[in-house]
Amino acid sequence: DAGVTQSPTHLIKTRGQQVTLRCSPKSGHDTVSWYQQALGQGPQFIFQYYEEEERQRGNFPDRFSGHQFPNYSSELNVNALLLGDSALYLCASSSAGPQQFFGPGTRLTVL
Amino acid sequence: AQSVTQLDSQVPVFEEAPVELRCNYSSSVSVYLFWYVQYPNQGLQLLLKYLSGSTLVESINGFEAEFNKSQTSFHLRKPSVHISDTAEYFCAVISMDSSYKLIFGSGTRLLVRP
Repeated sequence: DAGVTQSPTHLIKTRGQQVTLRCSPKSGHDTVSWYQQALGQGPQFIFQYYEEEERQRGNFPDRFSGHQFPNYSSELNVNALLLGDSALYLCASSSAGPQQFFGPGTRLTVL
Repeated sequence: AQSVTQLDSQVPVFEEAPVELRCNYSSSVSVYLFWYVQYPNQGLQLLLKYLSGSTLVESINGFEAEFNKSQTSFHLRKPSVHISDTAEYFCAVISMDSSYKLIFGSGTRLLVRP
């Protein structure tokens, strides 16, 4: 049983560019959450998708957007990248219940 | 709103010594509690969780945590650590009334020395 997978593993972009990160949830899970983990900090909630809709959003600007597909996989898009967007982006999946399972993350570096 | 405080940013300890990583939370509603571990350049792995029932929860690799509602704490303990326990440990909560977002502490780096 595959766990949560994310792609790509690493990504380097320059300021002003746009980036798309991808996540496939654990088998049987229908809910995907995205978190940003800056260096030396705990993860911060970006948003959660359920039934292809954004169910809740954290304190992140509109430059951060997402999508969930009918197969429950999800994308995180960030526009107009800033240096401060450099971080590890974590995807977590869940079904009914509070436990979330995390993927290995995508390391984004903005130069 | 909820918040999580991990009082120690780094805890150095010698191998085979006991360790306690502290976690306190603040919330106006009841919460579920979690400890996650993160090894270098990896994602988060669930170490243990408190959802209901016994306030003492244990992991398969010797860690345990006790939920103390009156002190709003969920400290993590291990009686004898190994070099391989060196990692970053995150305490997290999620509210019972809307299980959408995990709120994490800032993490504690456990450094086990030989």
